[in-house]
Amino acid sequence: GQNIDQPTEMTATEGAIVQINCTYQTSGFNGLFWYQQHAGEAPTFLSYNVLDGLEEKGRFSSFLSRSKGYSYLLLKELQMKDSASYLCAVWGRYGNKLVFGAGTILRVKS
Amino acid sequence: EAGVTQFPSHSVIEKGQTVTLRCDPISGHDNLYWYRRVMGKEIKFLLHFVKESKQDESGMPNNRFLAERTGGTYSTLKVQPAELEDSGVYFCASSQEDYSGANVLTFGAGSRLTVL
Repeated sequence: GQNIDQPTEMTATEGAIVQINCTYQTSGFNGLFWYQQHAGEAPTFLSYNVLDGLEEKGRFSSFLSRSKGYSYLLLKELQMKDSASYLCAVWGRYGNKLVFGAGTILRVKS
Repeated sequence: EAGVTQFPSHSVIEKGQTVTLRCDPISGHDNLYWYRRVMGKEIKFLLHFVKESKQDESGMPNNRFLAERTGGTYSTLKVQPAELEDSGVYFCASSQEDYSGANVLTFGAGSRLTVL
């Protein structure tokens, strides 16, 4: 089976940096995804890690350690529009589907 | 390109009634997925089509749910008869390739189903 854990809620200040952690236990691993979802909208793809290390994409970075079953999403220079739910999802080696964590609601305050 | 489109955006029905949700994937995407999010819980996999064939329907809750994808284009998800616990947001997603590695899913905005 697969188990994915991430904090339920986080609050950060505009302009700051925030790190959202995700730990996972899977029977097979073939990649970890981060999605952003604003209320009432579609989840949108942010990043994908399949090898250990840091992937940087503008203000967003994602890190993966496969040996530790751990990932984080780093958001820099926070903006009010970054207030959203951030979903960690794992693509298992067995079974062609994404398995999601419950998501982290990020609130950015001025 | 147009994204993944879902209809209706919101449906309110009474217990025992039937509802059909529709998903139009991105043109040319062979993979189509249905997911569901019940309030307070994570987004959960329901099933996966490759073209018109059901590749994996291990997440379908019970036989009150029927998914089809005739012709390998749009898909429908019918719930008959609906129960209170079927309330939630039903997401559709599509992707272009089906290979041994992971692929990026593009999601629709979801169809919110409320069963009274």
